[in-house]
Amino acid sequence: QVQLQESGPGLVTPSETLSLTCTVSGGSISSSSYYWAWIRQPPGKGLEWIGSVYYTGTTYNSPSLKSRVSISVDTSNNQFSLKLSSVTAADTAVYYCVKVADTSRARYFDCWGQGTLVTVSS
Amino acid sequence: DIQMTQSPSSLSASVGDRVTITCRASQTISNYLNWYQQKPGKAPKLLIYAASSLQSGVPSRFSGSGSGTDFTLTISNLQPEDFATYFCQQSYRTLMYTFGQGTKLEIK
Repeated sequence: QVQLQESGPGLVTPSETLSLTCTVSGGSISSSSYYWAWIRQPPGKGLEWIGSVYYTGTTYNSPSLKSRVSISVDTSNNQFSLKLSSVTAADTAVYYCVKVADTSRARYFDCWGQGTLVTVSS
Repeated sequence: DIQMTQSPSSLSASVGDRVTITCRASQTISNYLNWYQQKPGKAPKLLIYAASSLQSGVPSRFSGSGSGTDFTLTISNLQPEDFATYFCQQSYRTLMYTFGQGTKLEIK
């Protein structure tokens, strides 16, 4: 049973870079059967896909955040990471790392970390 | 972007009721539609994938249907633990995923 755990600062200063890491346990991040994603949820609001990464390092990011987002993978430590630059209060949210199942007929988020609240404030 | 619109935004029901939540896509997405349940302070949980496939371990009172642009999530015989917020999500556009705004299901 794959488990995911987010880690990183809970408070980030405006204009700085938000950095989070997701540690994957119970399975290999290098499987070709799935890939990995970051999703966020501002307090009291809906869900927003930020971006995804394959174990090869290939990434895909949301167009609305693309210029500020960097996602990377560290297969040796079974981790993947998110960096979001030039943050503002609008980036305050719970950030989830997620496993994405990708089959011939479906793609879905089948395993989620518990989430970590990141607040942007001075 | 493909926009996903859920209705209603909120819903009151009683234990034992049958409820239906709808999700409409702004363009056809075949059956690339998933449903999630989220309880306060918790991460979302996958219920239904590919419009109608029940995720392992999810009770059979949850069912999904639809194709193209219109989809429904039905919960039969509502249980106390089913009161939560439900989100639909499209995965038609590879790696350009979007969610509905959510439907909050409350106890009447």
